[in-house]
Amino acid sequence: KAGVTQTPRYLIKTRGQQVTLSCSPISGHRSVSWYQQTPGQGLQFLFEYFSETQRNKGNFPGRFSGRQFSNSRSEMNVSTLELGDSALYLCASSLASTDTEAFFGQGTRLTVV
Amino acid sequence: AQKVTQAQTEISVVEKEDVTLDCVYETRDTTYYLFWYKQPPSGELVFLIRRNSFDEQNEISGRYSWNFQKSTSSFNFTITASQVVDSAVYFCALRGGATNKLIFGTGTLLAVQP
Repeated sequence: KAGVTQTPRYLIKTRGQQVTLSCSPISGHRSVSWYQQTPGQGLQFLFEYFSETQRNKGNFPGRFSGRQFSNSRSEMNVSTLELGDSALYLCASSLASTDTEAFFGQGTRLTVV
Repeated sequence: AQKVTQAQTEISVVEKEDVTLDCVYETRDTTYYLFWYKQPPSGELVFLIRRNSFDEQNEISGRYSWNFQKSTSSFNFTITASQVVDSAVYFCALRGGATNKLIFGTGTLLAVQP
């Protein structure tokens, strides 16, 4: 059974640009959550999608957005990149219910220069 | 508010030593879930265990064991006879009963020296 797949693994962008990250959950999983990991702030929740609807959102500016497709794949977008957006972005996949564990992908390491 | 505290920032042990990673949590939810994840240098968070708030039984899985105590709001993780491959950052996390949002602690970097 394939795990959670995140693409690309590494990205270098310039300040002011925008970026789109992709996450393919485990087959059959319908919930996808995104997290940002930085040395200063640790692991922080960005948002969660279930059946193409955003169910929950963390405390991030509107430059951070996401969506989920009918096949449960999800994308997150960051517009007008800032240096502080440099981070490891992790995607987590869950079956659906809160009574299950979340499985993580290897992440996308974004560097903003 | 929900919060997870991992007071130990870094722990260094010699192979075959036992080591305990501490986790203290805060929540007002009556139903909640606690997790431990391992993050090797590759970056992926590897799921280790999930516990719900109604199950205080300790659990053992090979060299790993977990001690959940609601009275002290703690969910500690012990590795017996540590190995070099156990070297990683370990995260404790909390999830409320009505959401998939995980609240993570700051992590404990475990270094096992040969």
